[in-house]
Amino acid sequence: AQKITQTQPGMFVQEKEAVTLDCTYDTSDQSYGLFWYKQPSSGEMIFLIYQGSYDEQNATEGRYSLNFQKARKSANLVISASQLGDSAMYFCAMREGLDNAGNMLTFGGGTRLMVKP
Amino acid sequence: AAGVIQSPRHLIKEKRETATLKCYPIPRHDTVYWYQQGPGQDPQFLISFYEKMQSDKGSIPDRFSAQQFSDYHSELNMSSLELGDSALYFCASSLVGLTEAFFGQGTRLTVV
Repeated sequence: AQKITQTQPGMFVQEKEAVTLDCTYDTSDQSYGLFWYKQPSSGEMIFLIYQGSYDEQNATEGRYSLNFQKARKSANLVISASQLGDSAMYFCAMREGLDNAGNMLTFGGGTRLMVKP
Repeated sequence: AAGVIQSPRHLIKEKRETATLKCYPIPRHDTVYWYQQGPGQDPQFLISFYEKMQSDKGSIPDRFSAQQFSDYHSELNMSSLELGDSALYFCASSLVGLTEAFFGQGTRLTVV
């Protein structure tokens, strides 16, 4: 079964508008972390934001915020005031277990975001 | 700030050849991960190392091997290359106790 599901293969958003990228996850662990990465056409994987399963507040990093709904197992990424440079592939990922001792990230299929001028 | 360094950035090999990809983690990071991303695919976990010991193994073919050295850099060795091995190979590093895993810029391997 898919552990991370991103249901939007591609999305358009008008420049300066906000956009929500969906991510649902599946785990039986109580301790886990959720990540969003941006992958521009150049290929590098850029870390955007992290939410731990025990974090009560939604994570925010500048124009990025994570809408964490634990009961629904969703971790949607909200990008406010979209910019042309936001056009990229966005991956949601999960790590089961909270520390980094070799625990791998499992990625969703990605959402390609295209910002229109 | 120093980031994860991968070399080479691009590599072209013929079928049945061997390739070695290198990864230099962020200084003081003790964990290294390798991922493979095929064209139009999401990254797939291959293998990880913590304190120079293999800690987890994913869908890594038997033709591939990897290790982490005493200076924490890691190498992914790929033998008997196949056309299907053409992909972007990422290395990521992290430090136990921190949440983020930082990725390198990737090595794009093309097998012809």
